[in-house]
Amino acid sequence: AQRVTQPEKLLSVFKGAPVELKCNYSYSGSPELFWYVQYSRQRLQLLLRHISRESIKGFTADLNKGETSFHLKKPFAQEEDSAMYYCALKSGVKAAGNKLTFGGGTRVLVKP
Amino acid sequence: DAGVTQSPTHLIKTRGQQVTLRCSPKSGHDTVSWYQQALGQGPQFIFQYYEEEERQRGNFPDRFSGHQFPNYSSELNVNALLLGDSALYLCASSLTPYYGYTFGSGTRLTVV
Repeated sequence: AQRVTQPEKLLSVFKGAPVELKCNYSYSGSPELFWYVQYSRQRLQLLLRHISRESIKGFTADLNKGETSFHLKKPFAQEEDSAMYYCALKSGVKAAGNKLTFGGGTRVLVKP
Repeated sequence: DAGVTQSPTHLIKTRGQQVTLRCSPKSGHDTVSWYQQALGQGPQFIFQYYEEEERQRGNFPDRFSGHQFPNYSSELNVNALLLGDSALYLCASSLTPYYGYTFGSGTRLTVV
């Protein structure tokens, strides 16, 4: 069975400091990983996914299959980055449907 | 585009009662998934509907059932409510099960 672990419940950093959110997964197949973000009073939204290898709002995430990790990083945190972040793994096949398995989430607080 | 619409936004029910939650997917999306998010936890997959059939199911008892209509909208039904069913119920839609998800704002269910 698949599992996603986010070891930090809360990360508090100062504006301009680097921030790294850890995500580890266990999955027997080829993983497809995502980071979702939920800003205050807003719905859950996709931040980025590993297959697109893009940078969104200054965030990047690299899939490390050897360490089964998909950590999210940003070199200079901004106050607007304060939010709840969830790492998620997609499993399943197209015909049979698929699902997302979420980690427990990390709350990021960026202080001025 | 209204995105994913869920109703009602809040609901209070008594133990033992039954509840129906509704979801209208984003325009053009034909797949609907339901998630339960307990307080302080990440969302947990309940089931996914595509072509009016349940394609995948998470580790939830049979008290949780669903339906997808020809217009792709969906319902989540929970029978014999327990206090532990109190949670935020999220609906997510996608274009076929293969693509990424768009989440609704959720229905907050409180069982007393």
